[in-house]
Amino acid sequence: AQSVTQLGSHVSVSEGALVLLRCNYSSSVPPYLFWYVQYPNQGLQLLLKYTSAATLVKGINGFEAEFKKSETSFHLTKPSAHMSDAAEYFCAVRNTGKLIFGQGTTLQVKP
Amino acid sequence: DAGVIQSPRHEVTEMGQEVTLRCKPISGHNSLFWYRQTMMRGLELLIYFNNNVPIDDSGMPEDRFSAKMPNASFSTLKIQPSEPRDSAVYFCASRQEGSNYGYTFGSGTRLTVV
Repeated sequence: AQSVTQLGSHVSVSEGALVLLRCNYSSSVPPYLFWYVQYPNQGLQLLLKYTSAATLVKGINGFEAEFKKSETSFHLTKPSAHMSDAAEYFCAVRNTGKLIFGQGTTLQVKP
Repeated sequence: DAGVIQSPRHEVTEMGQEVTLRCKPISGHNSLFWYRQTMMRGLELLIYFNNNVPIDDSGMPEDRFSAKMPNASFSTLKIQPSEPRDSAVYFCASRQEGSNYGYTFGSGTRLTVV
């Protein structure tokens, strides 16, 4: 069965610093991978998705993620954190038509 | 497009009462998903419909939960009788099978059972 594991339930960075949120996947077939963001008391918004095209995927709000098959990873990065990036981030894998989510990582951005 | 529309946004009910959550998917989307989010268990898929037919209901917790999709533009998730442990945020999502694989989520229904 396909699954994703997010390393670190809580990440804290300073404003302007690099954001790195880690996601590793387990899949016996080429996976379709997603990153979603959830702001407080809101639904999930798609940041970006990997569907076996380019391995470096650019998303909204300056985020990007790189698919690395050798490391079974799909880490999310942003060069410079903004206060508005504070939210919960979910990695997900598509498995037989449905999305399976990781446990989420809360990003805190300090001024 | 108005996106995926869920109602109500908030629901507070007493234990033992029936609760019905509603979802209107994006027009043209033929797959619909119900998820539950809790602190302890994260985001769990409850049930998934394709072309109004339930495909996978393995995540439905127990017989107290039921979901229907009578047509392409409406789905309900019903809990009867409700229990305090059902308190959670329930999300509905939809997508167009075979498209760019994007899943669009609604804003959720926050259910509190007291």
